[in-house]
Amino acid sequence: GENVEQHPSTLSVQEGDSAVIKCTYSDSASNYFPWYKQELGKGPQLIIDIRSNVGEKKDQRIAVTLNKTAKHFSLHITETQPEDSAVYFCAASTARFYFGSGTKLNVKP
Amino acid sequence: DAGITQSPRHKVTETGTPVTLRCHQTENHRYMYWYRQDPGHGLRLIHYSYGVKDTDKGEVSDGYSVSRSKTEDFLLTLESATSSQTSVYFCAISESEGDTEAFFGQGTRLTVV
Repeated sequence: GENVEQHPSTLSVQEGDSAVIKCTYSDSASNYFPWYKQELGKGPQLIIDIRSNVGEKKDQRIAVTLNKTAKHFSLHITETQPEDSAVYFCAASTARFYFGSGTKLNVKP
Repeated sequence: DAGITQSPRHKVTETGTPVTLRCHQTENHRYMYWYRQDPGHGLRLIHYSYGVKDTDKGEVSDGYSVSRSKTEDFLLTLESATSSQTSVYFCAISESEGDTEAFFGQGTRLTVV
């Protein structure tokens, strides 16, 4: 099955700085790559996704890039704010979702 | 928020007892999933359903069974709970399989003592 690795496991940045979270996947058939944000005590919530026919996608302060050849994709958050503090999960999917182990992002005011 | 309700939200049970967790949706989505979340492991799929009475195993299905007798309800049963099943359990739903957004419930924190 698919294997998704996510780095780093924890990330601490100063408010206003950028944050980057990276994931790799193993199955070249994976074609859908969502990113989820999980706040304390809540379920994960989709923040952005990308499909295999697209290299980059942006939504305001967040962006995702996909390199199919290298089998890696990344989440970029610019101008970070304290409310961005949460755990972020990447996932890769063919028919099922396979999730990375998560990154705990801490944005210091 | 998508209409997904998990019950109970918290449960403490003893080793060897049966436990059933319930997921109820009001979105009429075809696909329903049960995940467990453990530190360092992210979300791992236990079982999923692609329709009424149609279910299949995920990557960590040992010790768990599921049932879906109605579109809106997906039950996860631990036949004989063990301490290794202490975890946070999430239900998720999606319209199609693996290529659209999955909506997650609020989670059930299960402690097996």
